[in-house]
Amino acid sequence: DTGVSQDPRHKITKRGQNVTFRCDPISEHNRLYWYRQTLGQGPEFLTYFQNEAQLEKSRLLSDRFSAERPKGSFSTLEIQRTEQGDSAMYLCASSPFNTEAFFGQGTRLTVV
Amino acid sequence: GQNIDQPTEMTATEGAIVQINCTYQTSGFNGLFWYQQHAGEAPTFLSYNVLDGLEEKGRFSSFLSRSKGYSYLLLKELQMKDSASYLCAVRSAANQAGTALIFGKGTTLSVSS
Repeated sequence: DTGVSQDPRHKITKRGQNVTFRCDPISEHNRLYWYRQTLGQGPEFLTYFQNEAQLEKSRLLSDRFSAERPKGSFSTLEIQRTEQGDSAMYLCASSPFNTEAFFGQGTRLTVV
Repeated sequence: GQNIDQPTEMTATEGAIVQINCTYQTSGFNGLFWYQQHAGEAPTFLSYNVLDGLEEKGRFSSFLSRSKGYSYLLLKELQMKDSASYLCAVRSAANQAGTALIFGKGTTLSVSS
């Protein structure tokens, strides 16, 4: 297992378009997290899954954002009607229990 | 609410010792984590404290005082490669399902020769 994998690594999109990112966690990890990070800031929590159940969602998360983890394995994060303020690094992480989380390399989104 | 504070920037010289402080206010507590993040890369796990005291791991040590809502990361024998952002993160009270890590804004450490 090579760790948490995210695809694509970079995405440039026009304002108003929809984008979808994929995360493949470490195979035995049942917990999966999405974070967003902008330059000079720490990762900001977006949402959390245990297996296929979405258990937490940040109240800061706009309803333009939706995430799924249909079979408790990979997850997708979709942003509808993108705005320039959505430009950020989107990080996925996974963990087996309430221990440390392992991060993927992230998807860098640029909205133009 | 939840609040995690750490200094924005620190500088140090090679071979020195540096202490990065973190204070937190969270609704319950179930562990404090330190991560290292080099520019343009993903955060990598450094240390974990859930009980009061010092955890040592090679050149890195982390301390926790739950009553004070305080932690520090101690880096010894600094090397140039230690120049990075250091992120303090807290897991608040665990329910049956557990909760996500909440991160501070990070401390950018610059090590000079």
